[in-house]
Amino acid sequence: DGGITQSPKYLFRKEGQNVTLSCEQNLNHDAMYWYRQDPGQGLRLIYYSQIVNDFQKGDIAEGYSVSREKKESFPLTVTSAQKNPTAFYLCASSLGQGTSEQYFGPGTRLTVT
Amino acid sequence: GDSVTQMEGPVTLSEEAFLTINCTYTATGYPSLFWYVQYPGEGLQLLLKATKADDKGSNKGFEATYRKETTSFHLEKGSVQVSDSAVYFCALSESALGRLYFGRGTQLTVWP
Repeated sequence: DGGITQSPKYLFRKEGQNVTLSCEQNLNHDAMYWYRQDPGQGLRLIYYSQIVNDFQKGDIAEGYSVSREKKESFPLTVTSAQKNPTAFYLCASSLGQGTSEQYFGPGTRLTVT
Repeated sequence: GDSVTQMEGPVTLSEEAFLTINCTYTATGYPSLFWYVQYPGEGLQLLLKATKADDKGSNKGFEATYRKETTSFHLEKGSVQVSDSAVYFCALSESALGRLYFGRGTQLTVWP
């Protein structure tokens, strides 16, 4: 089955630790995206990548970092600089430029205490 | 800049009632418009889309028409079911970069 996988589904970390969220897709999509979802705030774009080895900041990139070394993978690192990291994180992908329909993974719920 | 405004919830309906969730947008060009649905604890699923003015997107009994004159894309369903209980997001995409701008979501609960 083609799709997007995110792991783990639930993640717990202590404050001050960096944590990396996994996102893998086997849809052969060029573009990948990371969103953060907080209650009542919709989805906010963290980072996106249109092609391997290239990525751009979204609206709330501070305290996050990404890499895109392979087409199918787009991991997100939540650093200790992120002031409010507890949230639901969603990864998405699309075919690429000019094709805006995005497909979403199941999400990772991160809790930092 | 681009933005989406959708009606605040929660919306609570009885089974077989008519559903409308309002969505209006602001965009500088000619965006594509989407409705996504999120079931509890899951990611988002594309429900329907429209890519140009007067297009009607439809899926699973849901419909929405792209109205350029009123900058709206309201979601409707004639007869809701308990299984339609979810959060619904309106979104737009304008640039070739393909990024989406989302509304805040509307929680729908349908009672039997």
